[in-house]
Amino acid sequence: GAVVSQHPSWVICKSGTSVKIECRSLDFQATTMFWYRQFPKQSLMLMATSNEGSKATYEQGVEKDKFLINHASLTLSTLTVTSAHPEDSSFYICSARDTYNQPQHFGDGTRLSIL
Amino acid sequence: AQKVTQAQTEISVVEKEDVTLDCVYETRDTTYYLFWYKQPPSGELVFLIRRNSFDEQNEISGRYSWNFQKSTSSFNFTITASQVVDSAVYFCALSGGAGGTSYGKLTFGQGTILTVHP
Repeated sequence: GAVVSQHPSWVICKSGTSVKIECRSLDFQATTMFWYRQFPKQSLMLMATSNEGSKATYEQGVEKDKFLINHASLTLSTLTVTSAHPEDSSFYICSARDTYNQPQHFGDGTRLSIL
Repeated sequence: AQKVTQAQTEISVVEKEDVTLDCVYETRDTTYYLFWYKQPPSGELVFLIRRNSFDEQNEISGRYSWNFQKSTSSFNFTITASQVVDSAVYFCALSGGAGGTSYGKLTFGQGTILTVHP
């Protein structure tokens, strides 16, 4: 149980385009979803926290207009990287949990490369 | 503010050796959770353990064991008789407990790259 699916696994696109990444909880209702970013050989940094039906809460230094997060249902959250540039290239990982007491379950991540 | 420090950037061992990965944390929360995750080369994060701050009992799961010492704010992870498949990046993480400002948010350490040679 507690499977989180993230799609796509890889995406390569040109500078200036927008990219949408989906995070789905397959067998539980994810009241809260988290989005992390990981640069090569570095740790995971929390970008934002989203609760279903509410606006996402962004961590300090994360541009909310650049990284649009939508959590419209209890099983789906999306991260859209708008007008992506090469510096946005990174590994993006989502996680989800159903209640505060439960640990987060992570998706497999999305490798984003902007040319 | 919360902080997790994994002082060992890289560790290299030979198969069947025991290896301990260190984790030291800082938090102002009176209740909190500690975690260990494994990240193999494929990138996904594999949950290994969660420990409540009230539970200082050490835990063993197969070849894995964890030593939680509140007095030294440490949550170390030992792999006994290491195997090549254990090669991965290991992250220690911390989240605040109920009522704290970091409730539910994970703060990760920098990670330790473990390489097990045959």
